[in-house]
Amino acid sequence: DVKVTQSSRYLVKRTGEKVFLECVQDMDHENMFWYRQDPGLGLRLIYFSYDVKMKEKGDIPEGYSVSREKKERFSLILESASTNQTSMYLCASSYLYEQYFGPGTRLTVT
Amino acid sequence: GDSVTQMEGPVTLSEEAFLTINCTYTATGYPSLFWYVQYPGEGLQLLLKATKADDKGSNKGFEATYRKETTSFHLEKGSVQVSDSAVYFCALRLYSGAGSYQLTFGKGTKLSVIP
Repeated sequence: DVKVTQSSRYLVKRTGEKVFLECVQDMDHENMFWYRQDPGLGLRLIYFSYDVKMKEKGDIPEGYSVSREKKERFSLILESASTNQTSMYLCASSYLYEQYFGPGTRLTVT
Repeated sequence: GDSVTQMEGPVTLSEEAFLTINCTYTATGYPSLFWYVQYPGEGLQLLLKATKADDKGSNKGFEATYRKETTSFHLEKGSVQVSDSAVYFCALRLYSGAGSYQLTFGKGTKLSVIP
């Protein structure tokens, strides 16, 4: 079975902190994705990566950056967390077709 | 641009009732279509998919048929169970270059099944 793990299920941070969300997949997938999920808005793509050190902006990249130094790991970085970044963050990986999702990190910024 | 519209919830049904969740899409070209399910406290799981017109995806008693003429991919189940309570997302797949595909999701429909 494909496994996508995320470093934390729940996270509470203060406004202005730098926040790292980590995602690891064990299937040697080329592509990895970060989404945020908000009630009434569904899933929105923040960034994706199709290879090591490659990244592409999704629909809502503002306030976020990403890092992919190794194929299995894709990190989402909030440079200076703000309250409007309180959300559920979902990581996914894929090889061409099906995306496999991690369990999500619920981030609260106070 | 490409988009997915699905019926707004929440939807509440009694056990063994018939379920339909409507999904329509707008896309250039010929997308593949998916239904994902998210159980409480979990990430999304692929429920079923269809890659071309008139294909029927099915899994766990759920079905959806890719209708190009109506640009629809409605999810159906003949008899729902309490364990089907979840949020359901319709999605289409777009090619984003460099061998990579993106998914565009609908906003999700929350289903609650009561005994």
